[in-house]
Amino acid sequence: DGGITQSPKYLFRKEGQNVTLSCEQNLNHDAMYWYRQDPGQGLRLIYYSQIVNDFQKGDIAEGYSVSREKKESFPLTVTSAQKNPTAFYLCASSQGQVLNQPQHFGDGTRLSIL
Amino acid sequence: GDSVTQMEGPVTLSEEAFLTINCTYTATGYPSLFWYVQYPGEGLQLLLKATKADDKGSNKGFEATYRKETTSFHLEKGSVQVSDSAVYFCALSDQPGNQFYFGTGTSLTVIP
Repeated sequence: DGGITQSPKYLFRKEGQNVTLSCEQNLNHDAMYWYRQDPGQGLRLIYYSQIVNDFQKGDIAEGYSVSREKKESFPLTVTSAQKNPTAFYLCASSQGQVLNQPQHFGDGTRLSIL
Repeated sequence: GDSVTQMEGPVTLSEEAFLTINCTYTATGYPSLFWYVQYPGEGLQLLLKATKADDKGSNKGFEATYRKETTSFHLEKGSVQVSDSAVYFCALSDQPGNQFYFGTGTSLTVIP
């Protein structure tokens, strides 16, 4: 079955440490997205990519970085510059340049500070 | 800019009660509209969608009608079950490949 795989499910970060969250999709989707979800709040867009080797900042990109070297992979790095990284991170993908198509989501990674 | 406004929660209903979760939107173009559901500790799952005015999306007993005149896409279900307890998100997209705009989510708890 096609889908989006996020790993790990739980991740702990020490002060001053960078951590990378993995997102892989086998849906052959062009566009991929990273969202942050805080308790009781909606989704906030961190970064998105419409095509390989290209990505754009979302609403809360500061303290995060991404790469899109392969169509199926869109890893997110939470850097030490992100002072409040504890949250639930969701990766999504969509068919890109096709109107009316939904975003498909992974099961998320929960990041906590040690 | 584009935005989605959802009914504040949490909502608590008894089993078999009627559910309405309000959603209104602001968009510059002609957006597609979506409802997603999120169960605890999981990602979002697409529940239903509508792509043009007067379209009705439906799935698993849930329905929502795209009302252009009132810029609304309210979610309804005639008889909720305990298993419907989750957080529901309304969303819109008006450009292919571009970002979605999500509401803040409405938490629903159904009690037996």
